[in-house]
Order: sequence, then C-alpha cells, then structure tokens
Amino acid sequence: KAGVTQTPRYLIKTRGQQVTLSCSPISGHRSVSWYQQTPGQGLQFLFEYFSETQRNKGNFPGRFSGRQFSNSRSEMNVSTLELGDSALYLCASSRGIGQETQYFGPGTRLLVL
Amino acid sequence: QKEVEQDPGPLSVPEGAIVSLNCTYSNSAFQYFMWYRQYSRKGPELLMYTYSSGNKEDGRFTAQVDKSSKYISLFIRDSQPSDSATYLCAMVPNDYKLSFGAGTTVTVRA
Repeated sequence: KAGVTQTPRYLIKTRGQQVTLSCSPISGHRSVSWYQQTPGQGLQFLFEYFSETQRNKGNFPGRFSGRQFSNSRSEMNVSTLELGDSALYLCASSRGIGQETQYFGPGTRLLVL
Repeated sequence: QKEVEQDPGPLSVPEGAIVSLNCTYSNSAFQYFMWYRQYSRKGPELLMYTYSSGNKEDGRFTAQVDKSSKYISLFIRDSQPSDSATYLCAMVPNDYKLSFGAGTTVTVRA
C-alpha cells in the first residue's frame, strides 16, 4: 500500500511570493492534516480536513490556507511568503476523524529567500 | 509555558542500553498519547499510541502514561544503532488538535 506522498519535495521561493503544496493521502484515508516543522518551534498543527471540510485549525495567520478535494487529496497555500515561513511542511493522513493513528508523508522543504 | 514539554537531549547510549524518553504536559484535556520516530529528512513515523494510564508494550518499546502526574515515557530496550533518530511525543485533546513535544535526538553507538 502506497504511503502519503507530497509534492514537491523541495521548493525555493522569495519573500512576497505564494506557494501551493500538494498531499495525496493513503488510499482509503479521508482525513488529512498539515503541520509546520521548524528547529525553533518544532512540529505545529496547521489544519485538518475531513471529507472536504476543514475541521480544525491551528494558530497560524490567514496567509496559510488549505483545501481538500473529493478524492481526499489536499493542498495548502501560503500567500505573501515571509522568511519565517521557511520550514518542513508535513502532511499526515488517517482513516477517520481523530489524529491518534495518522501517517506522515516525507514533507516538503520550503526555503524562503 | 508550552503545553507539552519534552526532555531536550540529545542522548547518546551504547548499543544494548535502555533508552528512556520523557514528556510532561499541562493540559488535562489530553486524551491520546503517541510516540513518533523521525529519521533525518523523513516524516515522523508512528511508533505507539495509548489513551489510558499504565504501560503498553510493543516489542522492544514500552510506552508509559501517568495521567495523575501528567507524565509520559517511552522506553527502548536492547537499543540498536537503527534506533538512532529523533523521538517526538504527541498528545491529542478533545478537540483533536495534536500537540507535539520538541523532540529528543537519540544516538545509539555500535
């Protein structure tokens, strides 16, 4: 069974640009969550989607947004990039609601210059 | 103060030693407790999860939860060089917003 896949794996952007990251969950998983991982703040929850609806949102500014499609694939978008947005962005999927048994993808490493 | 505090490490142990990893938390609403392992340049991998106080074993791994003290631990017996990684504790409250500890980097020396 294929795991969670994320594209692209690496990305370099400049301040002020916007970026879209993609996540394909494990087949049969309907919940997708996004996280930001930085050396200073660790892993922080961004948002969770289930059946195309955002169920939960972390404490991030409105520049961070996401969506989920009918096939459970998800995208997250960051507009007006700041240097501090440089991070590893991780996507995780689970079969249903709840985050106790979720499986992570390899992440997208974003560098903002 | 962060909701989840994890012993910062790093830890370096000889092969075969017992590795002990610890986290404390302040939010009584945490219901589920997990441990993840993250190798360099990889996403976290779920090792164990539990929702009750007590011990849970899975092979060489034992997860311990003490809700009265708001304290969780992970023990790795007979540690191997392949166990060298960063270990993250994570907790889920009623609203399902997962909170992670900062991670402890473990090196097992051959």
